[in-house]
Amino acid sequence: QLQESGPGVVKPSETLSLTCTVSGGSISAYCWTFVRQAPGKGLEWIGSICNIGNVYTDYNPSLKSRVSVSVEMSKNQVLLRLESVTAADTAMYYCASGHGSNDHWGPGALVTVSS
Amino acid sequence: ETVLTQSPGTLSLSPGERATLSCRASQSIRSNSLAWYQHKPGQAPRLLISGAYSRATGIPDRFSGSGSGTDFTLTISRLEPEDFTVYYCQQYATSPRTFGQGTKVEIK
Repeated sequence: QLQESGPGVVKPSETLSLTCTVSGGSISAYCWTFVRQAPGKGLEWIGSICNIGNVYTDYNPSLKSRVSVSVEMSKNQVLLRLESVTAADTAMYYCASGHGSNDHWGPGALVTVSS
Repeated sequence: ETVLTQSPGTLSLSPGERATLSCRASQSIRSNSLAWYQHKPGQAPRLLISGAYSRATGIPDRFSGSGSGTDFTLTISRLEPEDFTVYYCQQYATSPRTFGQGTKVEIK
């Protein structure tokens, strides 16, 4: 199971930090992905991390300068950081398993960018 | 970047009817690396099909995927009341992964 947790509200220009806690299995030797959906919009792929031997990350170029995904092995968590947020980053953020098709998803965490 | 265009934007059908959803790619998708998701309001997306035609675990057989290259189709053979929602295609052959803009299946 996957469960996202986040701040709920982030001020403009600050950093959004979201945690995806994985239960029922180890995050090692697998890939994990973040996807978001802005209000009234479709799904947008943010990026992925694969922890198979070496750690490999892959990001959406539209966010690449602001986004990073990492893992906290001791807590079985996958972490998303998005810097310099604006109102356009207001969205439901999902974590999911896999780097290709995504077969398991968390319920999502709503993040609103507002002062 | 591979752009996916879904059509139609909205499909108005009645329960029991057949739904045919299209996903067209701006370039050929290698190895049939295309997935379909069902997304209901307030819920996480649900993987229906991967590899263009392989149903995910637990997905009813009324859902089927087909196609190759640049043209892919999701077919729902007989619509059940719970099938009326939004569907997205996604390609995972190249980075960045991309989604189509979605097709809404609504009750006529």
